[in-house]
Amino acid sequence: AQTVTQSQPEMSVQEAETVTLSCTYDTSESDYYLFWYKQPPSRQMILVIRQEAYKQQNATENRFSVNFQKAAKSFSLKISDSQLGDAAMYFCAYRAYTGNQFYFGTGTSLTVIP
Amino acid sequence: KAGVTQTPRYLIKTRGQQVTLSCSPISGHRSVSWYQQTPGQGLQFLFEYFSETQRNKGNFPGRFSGRQFSNSRSEMNVSTLELGDSALYLCATNRAGEVQETQYFGPGTRLLVL
Repeated sequence: AQTVTQSQPEMSVQEAETVTLSCTYDTSESDYYLFWYKQPPSRQMILVIRQEAYKQQNATENRFSVNFQKAAKSFSLKISDSQLGDAAMYFCAYRAYTGNQFYFGTGTSLTVIP
Repeated sequence: KAGVTQTPRYLIKTRGQQVTLSCSPISGHRSVSWYQQTPGQGLQFLFEYFSETQRNKGNFPGRFSGRQFSNSRSEMNVSTLELGDSALYLCATNRAGEVQETQYFGPGTRLLVL
């Protein structure tokens, strides 16, 4: 079974600084998708960024970028120029090509310090 | 476009009771997935419905069941509630459940079992 591990339960960053959230996963598949979701205190999960495993180029979305290392099964999220609104729980998720099931990590709670 | 809605937002039940939660997807979305979120276990996949049929199922006991109606609205039912069923229940929807599609999450229903 696929597993997703986020080894940092809590992280903090100074406003305007950069922070990296770690994620590793385990799978025997060669094609899959990886996602980072954000869950603010209001509880609505929001997609931050996604990466197709067959693409070598790392995905970027404005201040958010990933470092995807397929061989190492690592998928970290970098948040640049951190803002107060970035404070939330961040979940890494894996999705295989078959089935519509997401496997989530246990989350990293990010605090942004003014 | 209206987002994913879940009702009720909060529920308090006692052990042994049953509960029904509802999820209304975004217009045009036919796939509805359910997740249980707890502090200890994170997000765990319950099941997915597509075109009124259960298409995928997670590793939960038979007390957890669901259904989907012709308008794509979905309900999940938990019978004989246990204290451990206290959790945030999230539904997520997408158009057809294709792997490249983003899942959109509802705000969740927080269930407390006393």
